[in-house]
Amino acid sequence: GDSVTQMEGPVTLSEEAFLTINCTYTATGYPSLFWYVQYPGEGLQLLLKATKADDKGSNKGFEATYRKETTSFHLEKGSVQVSDSAVYFCALSESTGNQFYFGTGTSLTVIP
Amino acid sequence: DAGITQSPRHKVTETGTPVTLRCHQTENHRYMYWYRQDPGHGLRLIHYSYGVKDTDKGEVSDGYSVSRSKTEDFLLTLESATSSQTSVYFCAISDLGGNYEQYFGPGTRLTVT
Repeated sequence: GDSVTQMEGPVTLSEEAFLTINCTYTATGYPSLFWYVQYPGEGLQLLLKATKADDKGSNKGFEATYRKETTSFHLEKGSVQVSDSAVYFCALSESTGNQFYFGTGTSLTVIP
Repeated sequence: DAGITQSPRHKVTETGTPVTLRCHQTENHRYMYWYRQDPGHGLRLIHYSYGVKDTDKGEVSDGYSVSRSKTEDFLLTLESATSSQTSVYFCAISDLGGNYEQYFGPGTRLTVT
């Protein structure tokens, strides 16, 4: 079945450091891929998405490229800020179905 | 922000009692979802709805039922709560389902003692 695997956390970085959170997926068809962010005490918010191979999603300095050959959708940011501290979820959705599959989440803490 | 509210936001209940959580949307989206969030598991789908009175099971549906009598409301019922159902429950909505993004409510923290 469909699934998403993302790197274990927690991740702690200093402000202005480079961020990578790895995400790989297993899917039978042609899924869309998403990154969601969850701030403490809140629901999930869409951060970025990509709907086909080689698409790059970007938002708020975060980027992720849909790599079909490596079944990956790694999240990157060149210079993190304290305000980026949150839990990040990778997710996929098959175009033929109505279900989303989420990774287990990666907690990021950015220290000044 | 998408207009999604959940009620109650926090609830403590005893084992064996029935519990109903409500999700209300003002976006007129067709699809609505219930997830539970647990440490080490991320979000897991409980049930979803693709229209009024149209629902289907998700990955972890045992012990839960849902109803949708109006487009804007999606109810999740625990018929007889158990301690394993202690979790944070999130409602989500989507206009087109499939590979389109979902928008999440603020969550309900449920504790079963």
